[in-house]
This record gives sequence, C-alpha cells and structure tokens, in this order.
Amino acid sequence: AQTVTQSQPEMSVQEAETVTLSCTYDTSESDYYLFWYKQPPSRQMILVIRQEAYKQQNATENRFSVNFQKAAKSFSLKISDSQLGDAAMYFCAYETSGSRLTFGEGTQLTVNP
Amino acid sequence: NAGVTQTPKFQVLKTGQSMTLQCAQDMNHNSMYWYRQDPGMGLRLIYYSASEGTTDKGEVPNGYNVSRLNKREFSLRLESAAPSQTSVYFCASSDWGWMGYGYTFGSGTRLTVV
Repeated sequence: AQTVTQSQPEMSVQEAETVTLSCTYDTSESDYYLFWYKQPPSRQMILVIRQEAYKQQNATENRFSVNFQKAAKSFSLKISDSQLGDAAMYFCAYETSGSRLTFGEGTQLTVNP
Repeated sequence: NAGVTQTPKFQVLKTGQSMTLQCAQDMNHNSMYWYRQDPGMGLRLIYYSASEGTTDKGEVPNGYNVSRLNKREFSLRLESAAPSQTSVYFCASSDWGWMGYGYTFGSGTRLTVV
C-alpha cells in the first residue's frame, strides 16, 4: 500500500519569509501524481500545486514551488514571500492508476506578522 | 457553479442514532468519494464509487454504508453512530480517466457523536 508521510505537524514562518514543508512517500509505481492541498480555517480543500512523476522539472505556481526528488521519494513544498493568507493546514497527497488519492497527516502552517 | 455540495454542514448525534450525509456534484464527474478527517491522521478514504452503479471500500469502511443514487449523488450512512465516528467528513469527485488533476472537494460536514 502506498503511504504518504509529513513529518512536521506544525511549522511557522515570518511574513515575507520563505518556508519549506516536507513530504515523503512510499510506492513501487513508476507513474504517479503528487499534490499539495491547502485547507484554511474554512475547511475547504484547495489544490495548490501538482507534479507528474515522469516530469523531471519541478512544478511552480506563483509563490509556490516544489522540490521533487523521485529517487528519494521526496516532495517538498516551498512557499516564498509568505503572506498571512497562507496560514492553513497543508496536505501532501499521492495518486496512481488504480488507487485513490492518499493523504499525509498534514502540516499546520502559522504565518507571523 | 456549485461544484460539490454536502449537507448538512454540522450535525450532533447521540450514540446509536442513524443519519445520512448527502453529497451532490454538478461537474458530470464519474467518480465520487467519501473521506473522514481526524487530527494527526490526514484524510482517510471511507468508500468510493468509480462510476455510477459501483461502490468499493476504502481504508476505513467499518460502520458506514454508501449509496450511489445516480451519477450526481453519493450518500454516506451511519446506521448506529459511535463516538469514534466523531470527525469531519468530506465528499469529493473526479473524472475517471483524468488521473492527475486532483479531486474537487465539498466543504465538509462536522459530525459530533455524544
């Protein structure tokens, strides 16, 4: 079974600074997708960024970027120029053909003014 | 454009009571899912329906039943609620065959069983 691990239950960052959230996963598949979801206090699950495993180039969406290390099975999220609105729970997730979306435990991010 | 709609948003049940959580999507997606979210455990899959007419167990199905009423609607039933089922429940949908685009989630139902 595939597993996703987020080893940082809580992280904090100063406004305008950069923070990196860690995620590792375990799989025997070669073709899969990885995601970061954001869950603000409203509870809504918002897709932040996605990475296709067969693409070596790291995905980027504005201030959000990933560091995808396929051999190490690592998928970290970097948030640059952190804003107060970035404060939320962040979930790493994995999907492959024949399996449903599998989530990590989550990292609660606090942004300090 | 509503996306995925869940009802109710909040519910308090007494141990042993039953209830059904409703979910509907208007995106013509084939697949629908029920997850529960508990502190420190992320979201765990309860049941899913890959397409209309099919349902399958996920990681934590015990104590739950589901019905895929039609392509739009997928309900989750608790026959005899237990305090261990206190959680936030999310419904989601995706388009089968479009793997890699993530799921669209509803806004969740906070259920408390006392």
